[in-house]
Amino acid sequence: QQPVQSPQAVILREGEDAVINCSSSKALYSVHWYRQKHGEAPVFLMILLKGGEQKGHEKISASFNEKKQQSSLYLTASQLSYSGTYFCGTPRMDSSYKLIFGSGTRLLVRP
Amino acid sequence: DAGITQSPRHKVTETGTPVTLRCHQTENHRYMYWYRQDPGHGLRLIHYSYGVKDTDKGEVSDGYSVSRSKTEDFLLTLESATSSQTSVYFCAISEPGGDRNGYTFGSGTRLTVV
Repeated sequence: QQPVQSPQAVILREGEDAVINCSSSKALYSVHWYRQKHGEAPVFLMILLKGGEQKGHEKISASFNEKKQQSSLYLTASQLSYSGTYFCGTPRMDSSYKLIFGSGTRLLVRP
Repeated sequence: DAGITQSPRHKVTETGTPVTLRCHQTENHRYMYWYRQDPGHGLRLIHYSYGVKDTDKGEVSDGYSVSRSKTEDFLLTLESATSSQTSVYFCAISEPGGDRNGYTFGSGTRLTVV
């Protein structure tokens, strides 16, 4: 039931783009995205609520495809500050407010 | 003036001893959660609360208990700590309408059981 994230890790040069995917074997009606820097707490980025909806946060945007049961996080023109681990979270089937998190994607942006 | 604080931040304890971790919020959020974070597993839900004295189990609740006697405090107790409970523990809060509101996480407690 845990969503699957890919890739597990990615290394970028500053200014490059990246895509992180999150997919589920169960039907999804919302997806959360969080970023966690080393040694810190996860920080909420955005929620995708509707199929096909895209939202943005700085130069980070995301899409959500209900039919394909997946969401993608797009990081464009990456900055050093984007480094960290990105998690997607999906609500449990029995409750909309309890999230199950993927195992994370480690992103390293180098100068 | 953080809205959610965890204590202690670090703790080392011996196998077999009870341990209590505290989560305190000043946001008056209804929902509170305890997660553990281990390499390769991401964040796994231990217990959660949907109101004062209303709690329920998550995916990895064995060996843990919780209590919530006040809106602002959510306690996690390891009844008899084992080495497999060495982990980083995060508390989180959210508002009702959870599918529309993100979580706010505390800074975490790093627990080592020796």
